[in-house]
Amino acid sequence: TQLLEQSPQFLSIQEGENLTVYCNSSSVFSSLQWYRQEPGEGPVLLVTVVTGGEVKKLKRLTFQFGDARKDSSLHITAAQPGDTGLYLCAGEGRGKLIFGQGTELSVKP
Amino acid sequence: KAGVTQTPRYLIKTRGQQVTLSCSPISGHRSVSWYQQTPGQGLQFLFEYFSETQRNKGNFPGRFSGRQFSNSRSEMNVSTLELGDSALYLCASSSGTSGRYTGELFFGEGSRLTVL
Repeated sequence: TQLLEQSPQFLSIQEGENLTVYCNSSSVFSSLQWYRQEPGEGPVLLVTVVTGGEVKKLKRLTFQFGDARKDSSLHITAAQPGDTGLYLCAGEGRGKLIFGQGTELSVKP
Repeated sequence: KAGVTQTPRYLIKTRGQQVTLSCSPISGHRSVSWYQQTPGQGLQFLFEYFSETQRNKGNFPGRFSGRQFSNSRSEMNVSTLELGDSALYLCASSSGTSGRYTGELFFGEGSRLTVL
């Protein structure tokens, strides 16, 4: 069974702080996606990483795919209250997308 | 273009009843996936349909079933409801390609089911 473990599960920080969310697995994924979900809404795709070692930046968000394509990280620089939400990583393998349990981020002004 | 539409948004059922949830994907998308989201388990994959065929299935009991129509609209059914079935059920569509999953998932807002 392919599993993705995210850490931390909960994160509460002050505006302006930096943070990193980790997504780890013992399985290799052909690609990995990061989604963000706000209350009352479905998840929305932030980025897809495909190549081992790949780094993608989306404004203050930096995503990295591990060299072995088993893990990924999301780093947010100078977090803003608007970054608050549930962050989900999802790995593609065996024809389906497997989600981690998510990281609940709260950024306080 | 219109997004993924799920109905109903909220519903309350009692144990033993059955429920049918509906999902209309983005126009042109042929793949529809269903997920169950709970605070303890996160998003759990239920099944995926592509061109009216179930292409993949998660580890849920047979009480959970689905189907897809020729217009790509999909329904999922849960029979003999249990308290543990209370969850947010999310539908997602993607353009997909025959034979393998690919691409971004576009999620609906979900159907929140409460079983009493």
